[in-house]
Amino acid sequence: DTGVSQDPRHKITKRGQNVTFRCDPISEHNRLYWYRQTLGQGPEFLTYFQNEAQLEKSRLLSDRFSAERPKGSFSTLEIQRTEQGDSAMYLCASSLGQGNYEQYFGPGTRLTVT
Amino acid sequence: QKEVEQNSGPLSVPEGAIASLNCTYSDRGSQSFFWYRQYSGKSPELIMSIYSNGDKEDGRFTAQLNKASQYVSLLIRDSQPSDSATYLCAVGFYGQNFVFGPGTRLSVLP
Repeated sequence: DTGVSQDPRHKITKRGQNVTFRCDPISEHNRLYWYRQTLGQGPEFLTYFQNEAQLEKSRLLSDRFSAERPKGSFSTLEIQRTEQGDSAMYLCASSLGQGNYEQYFGPGTRLTVT
Repeated sequence: QKEVEQNSGPLSVPEGAIASLNCTYSDRGSQSFFWYRQYSGKSPELIMSIYSNGDKEDGRFTAQLNKASQYVSLLIRDSQPSDSATYLCAVGFYGQNFVFGPGTRLSVLP
C-alpha cells in the first residue's frame, strides 16, 4: 500500500516567482487536504477536496493560492507571486471518507522564498 | 473560531515512565479527535483516533476523551527515547478539515 507522495520535497524560489506542488493521495482515498505548517506551529488547513470537488477553502488562502484535483486523483497547489511569508512546509493528506476520517500525511514540500 | 490548545512543553520524562499529554478544544460540536506524532523535519504520523467518550488503548498508547470537559489526552506507557517527538492534537467534524493544536514537545531521557 503506497502512502501519500508529494513532489518536490524541497523548493527554493525567488520572491515573485510562481511555484506548483503536486500531491498523490493513497489510492482509493477520495478526500484530499492541503495544510501549511511553519516552525513551532501545528498544521493550518488550506483547502480540501472530495473527489474533484473543492469543498472548503480557508480564509487564510489568498487569491495567490489555487488548488486543483482535476480527475479526483492527484492534486496540485499553485502559489503565484510568492512572498517571503509563504515560506513553510506544505503538507498534503488524504482520507478514505465513507465513514473513515483518519487523515494520512505525505512527506511535505518545504518551500523557501528568498 | 475553533481553537485547540496544548501545553507546548517541553515535557521531560525518564525512560520507562508514563508520559501524559493533554489537549483542550473550544468547539463543543467537535466529533473526531486524533493524535499525531511528528519528528523534527518530518510530517505528522497518525497514532490514534478517538470518537467516543472514554478510553481507547493501542499498544503502549491510550487516548482518553471527555466531551463534557472538552478534553482529550494521550498516555504513553513505558516511554522510550524513540518516543521523543512533538505530539499534535487534532480535532474535527466528520470528514472535514482538522484543527491542530501547536503540539507538545516530549523528551524521553535515557
